[in-house]
Amino acid sequence: ETGVTQSPTHLIKTRGQQVTLRCSSQSGHNTVSWYQQALGQGPQFIFQYYREEENGRGNFPPRFSGLQFPNYSSELNVNALELDDSALYLCASSQDIHNEQFFGPGTRLTVL
Amino acid sequence: AQSVTQLDSQVPVFEEAPVELRCNYSSSVSVYLFWYVQYPNQGLQLLLKYLSGSTLVKGINGFEAEFNKSQTSFHLRKPSVHISDTAEYFCAVSALTGANNLFFGTGTRLTVIP
Repeated sequence: ETGVTQSPTHLIKTRGQQVTLRCSSQSGHNTVSWYQQALGQGPQFIFQYYREEENGRGNFPPRFSGLQFPNYSSELNVNALELDDSALYLCASSQDIHNEQFFGPGTRLTVL
Repeated sequence: AQSVTQLDSQVPVFEEAPVELRCNYSSSVSVYLFWYVQYPNQGLQLLLKYLSGSTLVKGINGFEAEFNKSQTSFHLRKPSVHISDTAEYFCAVSALTGANNLFFGTGTRLTVIP
């Protein structure tokens, strides 16, 4: 059984650019959550998708947006990148909304 | 809203000694409680979780945690640590209803000294 995978592993962007991060959920999982983990901090919830619909959002501005596809994979898009967006972005999938979340290895984004 | 406080940012301990990592939470609703471990350059791995029932929860790698509702605590313990336990540990909570988003503490860096 393949676990949660994320791409790319690392990414370097400059301020003002846009970025798309990708996540493939574990087989049989229909829920995907995204988290931002700044250096030295715990992960912070960005949003959750359940069966292609947004099912909750944390305290992040609208320039953070997402998508979930029919195969339940997901994208996180960030527009107008700022230096403070530099972080590890974690994706987690679960079998349903209230089931255990399984985390991917993350994408390290550096904004210069 | 929920919040989590991990009282120790760093905990050094000698190999084979016991360890306790402390976690307190605050919530206006009933919550589930979790401990995750993060090894360098990796994602999060679930160590254990409290959903209901017995307040003493056993997890992987010999870890256990005790839920104390009156003190709103969920401390993580291991009777004898190994070098391989060196990692970052996160306590987290999620509400029983609504989106299943996890609220994390700031983490405790456990360093096992040979």
